[in-house]
Amino acid sequence: DTVLTQSPALAVSPGERVSISCRASEGVNSYMHWYQQKPGQQPKLLIYKASNLASGVPARFSGSGSGTDFTLTIDPVEADDTATYFCQQSWNDPTFGAGTKLELK
Amino acid sequence: EVQLVESGGGLVQPGRSLKLSCAASGFTFSNYYMAWVRQAPKKGLEWVATISTSGSRTYYPDSVKGRFTISRDNAKSSLYLQMNSLKSEDTATYYCASPGSEDYFDYWGQGVMVTVSS
Repeated sequence: DTVLTQSPALAVSPGERVSISCRASEGVNSYMHWYQQKPGQQPKLLIYKASNLASGVPARFSGSGSGTDFTLTIDPVEADDTATYFCQQSWNDPTFGAGTKLELK
Repeated sequence: EVQLVESGGGLVQPGRSLKLSCAASGFTFSNYYMAWVRQAPKKGLEWVATISTSGSRTYYPDSVKGRFTISRDNAKSSLYLQMNSLKSEDTATYYCASPGSEDYFDYWGQGVMVTVSS
């Protein structure tokens, strides 16, 4: 299985820029996707294929990377962005990262 | 509007079976692969199964292969997950989801809870 490694948590102030990283145990080309999950809700697709913004997602969200290293950037961060962010690869059988919990100071 | 509504969850004893359903609306169900993804309490997400548009091809991770069976009824716009020989580690919220052509999940249901416990 392709293992995805994410930092467990980050804390930022509203208005700042935050980058959330995801490292794959093997190359996944550009087949990395990002989701936002708020407590009690289902995940929501934010970014697909590394850098493509999903429909209806604010342009404050962006994605970059290829191969094994990927980044989700939120700029500027808003209070409503408090959530857990998961990466997922689909180059091999789908696997997810453990999630990065974003908290606002 | 795309809607995916799961049902059939509940409390079940280890070793027993349970069948989940997902009712789809707002899109042409028969044109899309479908999948199940689960999330154990306070844990991350795990892909459980995917089925092709016709149902002729199914895919599973090793953790559920041989115990879980995904199926669909395109006439009813419904997706199913038959879960047999359930284990405590199968306890999770199960989401019905639509994987796009490149296996990212663009639509999700609200989830249904399955608890495996004696």
